[in-house]
Amino acid sequence: QVQLQQWGAGLLKPSETLSLTCAVYGGSFSGYYWTWIRQPPGKGLDWIGEINHSGSANYSPSLKSRVTISVDTSKNQFSLILSSVTAADTALYYCARGNDEGTVEYWGQGTLVTVSS
Amino acid sequence: DIVMTQSPLSLPVTPGEPASISCRSSQSLLHSNGYSYLDWYLQKPGQSPQLLIHLSSYRASGVPDRFSGSGSRTNFTLKITRVEAEDVGVYYCMQALQTPKTFGQGTKVEIK
Repeated sequence: QVQLQQWGAGLLKPSETLSLTCAVYGGSFSGYYWTWIRQPPGKGLDWIGEINHSGSANYSPSLKSRVTISVDTSKNQFSLILSSVTAADTALYYCARGNDEGTVEYWGQGTLVTVSS
Repeated sequence: DIVMTQSPLSLPVTPGEPASISCRSSQSLLHSNGYSYLDWYLQKPGQSPQLLIHLSSYRASGVPDRFSGSGSRTNFTLKITRVEAEDVGVYYCMQALQTPKTFGQGTKVEIK
């Protein structure tokens, strides 16, 4: 059974850098798209970006200038970096596994990140 | 970006009755392989979203057969034949054809 466990700082000040990591347990690490999705409080789902095991990434155009997704295949982990955060980045952040059909098959438990001065 | 539009946004349902949610995309989601790259997810209260349907009409593992998906190109529908209390939550469609992946606004299903 595939499980995704994520962690990272939950409270940031404006202009700081958001950093989250997701560990993958069970299943192969290669052949999938390791994905970050966020959900502002009370709102819908926003796709942030994805990366494959070889490090090829795609990002949401609206976040591309501030976001980096990376992988550590030796640890079966992937990470999200979002720079220069503002209150608009306050959200529940999910890590997830996507397949080659684009479907998001498995989701992490979510990490609430609050940006406040 | 492909824009996804769901309707209705709120759906009060009676247990045992059917329910239907519509999802439309601003561009065709039909891949050259003949499949439409449209997925449905359910986010139960306080939980992470879970996959219900992929490629428009294929139920994910463990999903009850009261859930069905249909549609092609730009028009899609999720149907529940007989709603149960455990089906409450927010349903999202998502286009998986191209990046950035995009979601519908969500349809909140609640029991009357």
